[in-house]
Amino acid sequence: EDQVTQSPEALRLQEGESSSLNCSYTVSGLRGLFWYRQDPGKGPEFLFTLYSAGEEKEKERLKATLTKKESFLHITAPKPEDSATYLCAVQATGFQKLVFGTGTRLLVSP
Amino acid sequence: EAGVTQSPTHLIKTRGQQATLRCSPISGHTSVYWYQQALGLGLQFLLWYDEGEERNRGNFPPRFSGRQFPNYSSELNVNALELEDSALYLCASSWGLGEGPYNEQFFGPGTRLTVL
Repeated sequence: EDQVTQSPEALRLQEGESSSLNCSYTVSGLRGLFWYRQDPGKGPEFLFTLYSAGEEKEKERLKATLTKKESFLHITAPKPEDSATYLCAVQATGFQKLVFGTGTRLLVSP
Repeated sequence: EAGVTQSPTHLIKTRGQQATLRCSPISGHTSVYWYQQALGLGLQFLLWYDEGEERNRGNFPPRFSGRQFPNYSSELNVNALELEDSALYLCASSWGLGEGPYNEQFFGPGTRLTVL
């Protein structure tokens, strides 16, 4: 069964303190790995899709990388507005549904 | 460009009643997905509609059902509501069948369903 595990569950950073979030996955065949940001009480906001090992994508202070077993979301010099829950999801070959992890709650203090 | 919209924002029902949730996809998107996000749990896949047909459903009982209309909007119906149905129900849309960016699912703001 396809599975996604995210760590840590929660992360507290000072403004400017860079860190990484981890997403480990097992999937029969990877069609895509997705990163979303979710603010409290709102729907997930699409950030990135990664399709193959070695692929990297960047957006402002965020950079996502992918290996055959895990993905990292690197946050460089975070700001308080980066505080949110970051969700990772996988899509298996031949399927449309996304299988989500439970997320990492990030809090960035000024 | 307008995003995915959902209505109502909040819905309060009592146990045993029926709930109807609505979703309008991004213009041009033909696929609509429904997910449930219960407190403390990750998003769980409920249903997928494409071109008016149900293509796949998750591990939920038959009292969770829905449909997709000719304009690609969708409705999720939950019958015989139970307390554990209280959750944020999220709708997403995508271009439909295809690879690459066609797969990317964009979410709406959700409907918060509370069952008393």
